[in-house]
Amino acid sequence: AQTVTQSQPEMSVQEAETVTLSCTYDTSESNYYLFWYKQPPSRQMILVIRQEAYKQQNATENRFSVNFQKAAKSFSLKISDSQLGDTAMYFCAFTFWDQGAQKLVFGQGTRLTINP
Amino acid sequence: DAGVIQSPRHEVTEMGQEVTLRCKPISGHDYLFWYRQTMMRGLELLIYFNNNVPIDDSGMPEDRFSAKMPNASFSTLKIQPSEPRDSAVYFCASSFGLRNEQFFGPGTRLTVL
Repeated sequence: AQTVTQSQPEMSVQEAETVTLSCTYDTSESNYYLFWYKQPPSRQMILVIRQEAYKQQNATENRFSVNFQKAAKSFSLKISDSQLGDTAMYFCAFTFWDQGAQKLVFGQGTRLTINP
Repeated sequence: DAGVIQSPRHEVTEMGQEVTLRCKPISGHDYLFWYRQTMMRGLELLIYFNNNVPIDDSGMPEDRFSAKMPNASFSTLKIQPSEPRDSAVYFCASSFGLRNEQFFGPGTRLTVL
C-alpha cells in the first residue's frame, strides 16, 4: 500500500526559529514525486516545495528545504527563520503511477503555529 | 489568471437534497482534480480528468457521487442524495501535466444537516 505518515499532528515554535516537519512514506515504486503543501487558515492549498525521487540533491526554495532520504523513505521539511505567515497546516504528499493512472496520496497533516 | 475558481464557497443543505459543486480550472491546464477534506480522513483524491476525460474515479466514495467535465473550462461534482457524512471541504485543483504543481481552488465547505 502507498501511504504517507506525518507523525507530528501539531508543532509550535517561536518566530525566527528553525523547525523541521517529518514525513515518511511507503511505496514500492521507483519513480515518484514528493511534495509539501501548505494550507493557511484561508484554506487555499499552496505548493511549498517539490522533489523528484530520481534526484539526489535536496530541493530548496528560499527558507524552505527538504531532507530527502530515499532509502529510508523520509522527506522532512525544514523551515528556517520562521515567520508568522508560516502558520498553517502542512501536508506531505507523493504521486505515483498505478496501472496507468497517476495517484496522489496525502499525509494527515501537521498543524504548525509560529508564535510572536 | 484568477486561479482555480470554485462555487459556492459555502453550501448548507438538508439530507436527501442534491448538491452541485462547480469548478473553473486555470486556462490552459489539462488536468483537473476533485478532492475531499475531512478531519477524520484528511485529504482524499476523488477523481481526476485529463482533457475533459475522467481518468481515475476510484476515489469516488459511492454511486451518489458523480463528476463531469463538459468542456475544458468547467467541471461539476454532484452528490445525490446528500447525507450528513458528506459534510466536508471539497477542493478542485488543476495542473498542466501530471507531474507539475497542482493549483488548488479555495474549496467549498459543504454542510449536510
